[in-house]
Amino acid sequence: DSGVTQTPKHLITATGQRVTLRCSPRSGDLSVYWYQQSLDQGLQFLIHYYNGEERAKGNILERFSAQQFPDLHSELNLSSLELGDSALYFCASSVGPGNTIYFGEGSWLTVV
Amino acid sequence: KNEVEQSPQNLTAQEGEFITINCSYSVGISALHWLQQHPGGGIVSLFMLSSGKKKHGRLIATINIQEKHSSLHITASHPRDSAVYICAVPSFGNEKLTFGTGTRLTIIP
Repeated sequence: DSGVTQTPKHLITATGQRVTLRCSPRSGDLSVYWYQQSLDQGLQFLIHYYNGEERAKGNILERFSAQQFPDLHSELNLSSLELGDSALYFCASSVGPGNTIYFGEGSWLTVV
Repeated sequence: KNEVEQSPQNLTAQEGEFITINCSYSVGISALHWLQQHPGGGIVSLFMLSSGKKKHGRLIATINIQEKHSSLHITASHPRDSAVYICAVPSFGNEKLTFGTGTRLTIIP
């Protein structure tokens, strides 16, 4: 158990819908990272928050947004979902940039 | 952008064999991560190293910063080592990771 909690574990939704994925980092970790893993793209960095502030963005679509709340949990919002958004979404946390990263179990999203 | 290449892509070996997985990257870095992804999907961080060698149980990771190359070794491999092994390098001031495509390891009893 990495100490990073993600919910939901599995989610099936229809195209055009909106979903929210939630992440609770390890106790004491200030950095939260979101990654997407699809069959054809592999693991891709989406976004990094540190202590509530956005620090870096990767190839995150405009239809996707994220935030980190004062209690340090984070949410990834995916809207206007398309079939191609079906993937495994990981949240990870660390004490800060440049430190060991701990991954959650991931949220499996299937868009039908 | 830091390109990350792993080899081999797939590796099948007999139980007990010594395993080596390689990772090369294109831009200088401060540290490199080795990750293990289980068949169920979960990812575990194995090592983060910036120089030399680290050892944890039967796993050994080495890095040569000058040659921009790292290796992950598994001694006395076991079927439970079957997983995808991924190397990742930081960029943008350690704010994000770029991942290799992974090496799928299968250990046959």
